[in-house]
Amino acid sequence: AQKITQTQPGMFVQEKEAVTLDCTYDTSDPSYGLFWYKQPSSGEMIFLIYQGSYDQQNATEGRYSLNFQKARKSANLVISASQLGDSAMYFCAMREDNAGNNRKLIWGLGTSLAVNP
Amino acid sequence: DGGITQSPKYLFRKEGQNVTLSCEQNLNHDAMYWYRQDPGQGLRLIYYSQIVNDFQKGDIAEGYSVSREKKESFPLTVTSAQKNPTAFYLCASSIGTTGNTIYFGEGSWLTVV
Repeated sequence: AQKITQTQPGMFVQEKEAVTLDCTYDTSDPSYGLFWYKQPSSGEMIFLIYQGSYDQQNATEGRYSLNFQKARKSANLVISASQLGDSAMYFCAMREDNAGNNRKLIWGLGTSLAVNP
Repeated sequence: DGGITQSPKYLFRKEGQNVTLSCEQNLNHDAMYWYRQDPGQGLRLIYYSQIVNDFQKGDIAEGYSVSREKKESFPLTVTSAQKNPTAFYLCASSIGTTGNTIYFGEGSWLTVV
């Protein structure tokens, strides 16, 4: 079963508008972390934001915020005021802290975001 | 500047040849990782190392080998036993496996011709 699901293969957004990229996850581990990474066409994987399962508040990093709904097992990424440079693939990933498997990251298949001028 | 350096960026290999991808980090991170990415796919873990002279297999280790003789370096060898080696390879590191964030290099494209 997929542990990380990103249901949007592709998204379009107008420049300066906000966009939400969906991510749902599945785990029975009470302690886990959720990550979002950006991968531009150059290939580099760029860390954007992190949310711990025990964090009381939603994580924010500049124009990025994570809408964490624990009961729904949802960790959507919100990008405010989109810029042309935001066009890239976006990956959601999860780390299970008690999995006993080096706590590796489990990855979704990604969402391709295109920002239109 | 601190970071992770992968080389070469692009590599072509003939079938039957071994190739080694370099990964160097100056972040003083203990843990290092190698991931493989195929088109339209997420990342899959090949090998990881939590400490010098120690490494563990990931999900798709067959046909690959690694070494960790120095803290800064974690080279990956793609051997001739790897049946489908054409892919994008990403090296990463973190403070430890308990660290919150994994940082990545710019990746290496390997094409078998």
